Amino acid sequence: GAGVSQSPRYKVTKRGQDVTLRCDPISSHATLYWYQQALGQGPEFLTYFNYEAQPDKSGLPSDRFSAERPEGSISTLTIQRTEQRDSAMYRCASSLGSWSTQYFGPGTRLLVL
Amino acid sequence: AQKITQTQPGMFVQEKEAVTLDCTYDTSDQSYGLFWYKQPSSGEMIFLIYQGSYDEQNATEGRYSLNFQKARKSANLVISASQLGDSAMYFCAMAGNAGNMLTFGGGTRLMVKP
Repeated sequence: GAGVSQSPRYKVTKRGQDVTLRCDPISSHATLYWYQQALGQGPEFLTYFNYEAQPDKSGLPSDRFSAERPEGSISTLTIQRTEQRDSAMYRCASSLGSWSTQYFGPGTRLLVL
Repeated sequence: AQKITQTQPGMFVQEKEAVTLDCTYDTSDQSYGLFWYKQPSSGEMIFLIYQGSYDEQNATEGRYSLNFQKARKSANLVISASQLGDSAMYFCAMAGNAGNMLTFGGGTRLMVKP
C-alpha cells in the first residue's frame, strides 16, 4: 500500500480480555517494527521483524505480549489478559531494511478499563 | 545502551523566525543514525530528517536542517521561517549499530505564535 496502515484505530477493552492489533506495512518494506507510546512520551521499541523472522523481542514488556508476521507482510500484536497499564498508543513502522528510515502508521489507541 | 535527551519540554517561536530544538545522545556504538520526527496533534509520526554518524555534512531537507556536532554528541533540529503548521511535538531518535530499533527522546512541544 501507499503507507503503513493499522487497525483498529481505537480499541476499548475490559481488563482481562485479549486484544489483537493489526499492521499492514508499505508493500516493498522488509522490516516491520512495533512501538508502544504512552501519552506525552516518545515511542518505546517492542519488537521487530525482518520478513517473517523476529530477531529481537527484547522490548516486549511481558509474556502477555506477542507478535507475528507469518507471511512476511501483515503483522499482528496480541496482548493477552490486558491490564490497565497496557493502555497506550501502539505504533507500527516499516522500512526497506536496517538503517533505512522507518515510516510510521497512524497507531492504535488502546484503552483498558 | 542508547539514550536520547531532549531538554526542552516546550518552546514558543514567533511565526517566520527560526527555532532550534535541542537533542543530545549517548551511545557506545561507532555507527549510528539520528532522526527527527514530527507529531502533530492529529497523532501521526512524520519523518523529517536523517543524519548518519559518518556523514561529513549536516543534513538539510527544505526548511529543516540538522546541526550535528559529533564531539558534543548533539543533533539539534533547526527549523527556518517557522509556520503555524509547524506547531507540533518533535521527537529526536537514534538507531545504533544494528540499525534497527529506534530509541526516542521525550520530545519537545513547539508552539508557533502568529
